[in-house]
Amino acid sequence: AQKVTQAQTEISVVEKEDVTLDCVYETRDTTYYLFWYKQPPSGELVFLIRRNSFDEQNEISGRYSWNFQKSTSSFNFTITASQVVDSAVYFCALSEARGYSTLTFGKGTMLLVSP
Amino acid sequence: EAGVAQSPRYKIIEKRQSVAFWCNPISGHATLYWYQQILGQGPKLLIQFQNNGVVDDSQLPKDRFSAERLKGVDSTLKIQPAKLEDSAVYLCASSGMGQSGDTQYFGPGTRLTVL
Repeated sequence: AQKVTQAQTEISVVEKEDVTLDCVYETRDTTYYLFWYKQPPSGELVFLIRRNSFDEQNEISGRYSWNFQKSTSSFNFTITASQVVDSAVYFCALSEARGYSTLTFGKGTMLLVSP
Repeated sequence: EAGVAQSPRYKIIEKRQSVAFWCNPISGHATLYWYQQILGQGPKLLIQFQNNGVVDDSQLPKDRFSAERLKGVDSTLKIQPAKLEDSAVYLCASSGMGQSGDTQYFGPGTRLTVL
């Protein structure tokens, strides 16, 4: 069975600090997909990134970057120069290639960025 | 392009009452999902529709929860009768074809409080 672990329950940083959110996953499949979503206080889950298991290139989008390492089954998310607007709960999720696109979510990491 | 719409945004009911939530997916999306998110946890899939057919309802408490998507577009999730433990946010999501790895886009959710 697939599983996603986000060991950090809550992280507090001061604005402009860099912060990394950890995600470790378990799956028996060789083909799978990993996602990150942001959930601000308004409650809506906002899609950030999708990565398939065959693409281990790191990705950067503005202040966001993702480090995918199959050897350690990790898909970590780094925010550079954090801002107050980054305060939210961040979820890592896994979808296996078999069947339909069922997502298994981690429990989320709450990020608090103070001015 | 309009996102996933949900209503109502908030609902407070007494235990043993019934409640219904509505969702309208992104136009053209064939797959619709209902998730339950209990405070402090990641979303848990309740039911997945492909067009107007159910493809996964293994985690839906069928003795009290029901869902339909009659015309393959919008959907309704019902709880009857509600229990205290049903207090949660109910999220609706949609994706293009529901194939593995499809990105799911979420609505704002309905926050249900059962007293």
